[in-house]
Amino acid sequence: DAGVTQSPTHLIKTRGQHVTLRCSPISGHKSVSWYQQVLGQGPQFIFQYYEKEERGRGNFPDRFSARQFPNYSSELNVNALLLGDSALYLCASSPLLGSEQYFGPGTRLTVT
Amino acid sequence: AQSVTQPDIHITVSEGASLELRCNYSYGATPYLFWYVQSPGQGLQLLLKYFSGDTLVQGIKGFEAEFKRSQSSFNLRKPSVHWSDAAEYFCAVENTGGFKTIFGAGTRLFVKA
Repeated sequence: DAGVTQSPTHLIKTRGQHVTLRCSPISGHKSVSWYQQVLGQGPQFIFQYYEKEERGRGNFPDRFSARQFPNYSSELNVNALLLGDSALYLCASSPLLGSEQYFGPGTRLTVT
Repeated sequence: AQSVTQPDIHITVSEGASLELRCNYSYGATPYLFWYVQSPGQGLQLLLKYFSGDTLVQGIKGFEAEFKRSQSSFNLRKPSVHWSDAAEYFCAVENTGGFKTIFGAGTRLFVKA
């Protein structure tokens, strides 16, 4: 079975630009969560979506937004990029709320 | 507020020696607890989880962890470390509502021959 997939693998953006990251969950999983992992730190929770509704939000500015589509895939959008947004962005899926999460390989975002 | 503390930033262990990685959490009730492993440049792989029941949890790759409520700890152990275990290990806590997983800062494991 295919695991969680994320695209793109890497990308480089300039300060002030906008970026969209994509995530496809494991088939049958209805929950998708997004995390930011800055180099040398643990992942920081950004959002969780379940059945297309936002169920949790971390301490991130409004420049960060996300949505979940009817097929349970998800997008994370970041506006007005800052240098500090450079990080590995991880997506995780789970079949239900409160069940274990399965992580994708991440998208490495570099902001210059 | 929930929090997770991994006191050791890095640990070096000889191959074949035993390993214990420490994790302390702060949460008002009994949380869901997890250990993940991350190899360089990779996503996270779940090693084991504790939801309820037996406080000694067995995971993949020969790892186990023990939940101690009185100490608010969930330490990860392995009796004999292999060179391939060198990686970053993260402890995580999730509230029982099932959202907002909080990760520790991680412990980098080095294995020497």
